[in-house]
Amino acid sequence: ETGVTQSPTHLIKTRGQQVTLRCSSQSGHNTVSWYQQALGQGPQFIFQYYREEENGRGNFPPRFSGLQFPNYSSELNVNALELDDSALYLCASSRLDNEQFFGPGTRLTVL
Amino acid sequence: KNEVEQSPQNLTAQEGEFITINCSYSVGISALHWLQQHPGGGIVSLFMLSSGKKKHGRLIATINIQEKHSSLHITASHPRDSAVYICAGTGNQFYFGTGTSLTVIP
Repeated sequence: ETGVTQSPTHLIKTRGQQVTLRCSSQSGHNTVSWYQQALGQGPQFIFQYYREEENGRGNFPPRFSGLQFPNYSSELNVNALELDDSALYLCASSRLDNEQFFGPGTRLTVL
Repeated sequence: KNEVEQSPQNLTAQEGEFITINCSYSVGISALHWLQQHPGGGIVSLFMLSSGKKKHGRLIATINIQEKHSSLHITASHPRDSAVYICAGTGNQFYFGTGTSLTVIP
């Protein structure tokens, strides 16, 4: 148990819809990072939030957006879902530049 | 070409064997992470290191900054070590290797 939780566990959406995924950080952590892991592949970095501000972004289009709240929990929003967005979405919390603790992930299926 | 390369891609070992997984990176990073992912998706951070060597139980991780290379060693391997091992570098963003799938046979 890392103390990082994600919701929902599984989610099914259709193409064109919007989705919001949630992540609760481990106590004392001020940084959250989001990753996308397609089936059979390694994780890909989406973005990182530090103290409610975006602190780095990978090669993902603007329809992937995020928020970090004052309690350091976070949301990942994906608009205009595409079939290729089907993946496991992982969040990880940490103190900035320290070891990351991963949540169990949300498995998103886009039909 | 990936910024972070791992080898081997797949590895099968007999229980008790000494295992080494290698990771090379081509970008500037501030730290190198070794992660373990079991079937079903959960990821556990094993090590975060920026120099030298770290040891935790039967696991040892080393990094050579000059050569941009890191290794993860597992001593006295056990079937419960079967998992995908991923190295990742922290720089301007998080750069992931493609993972090494390890199977330890009893």
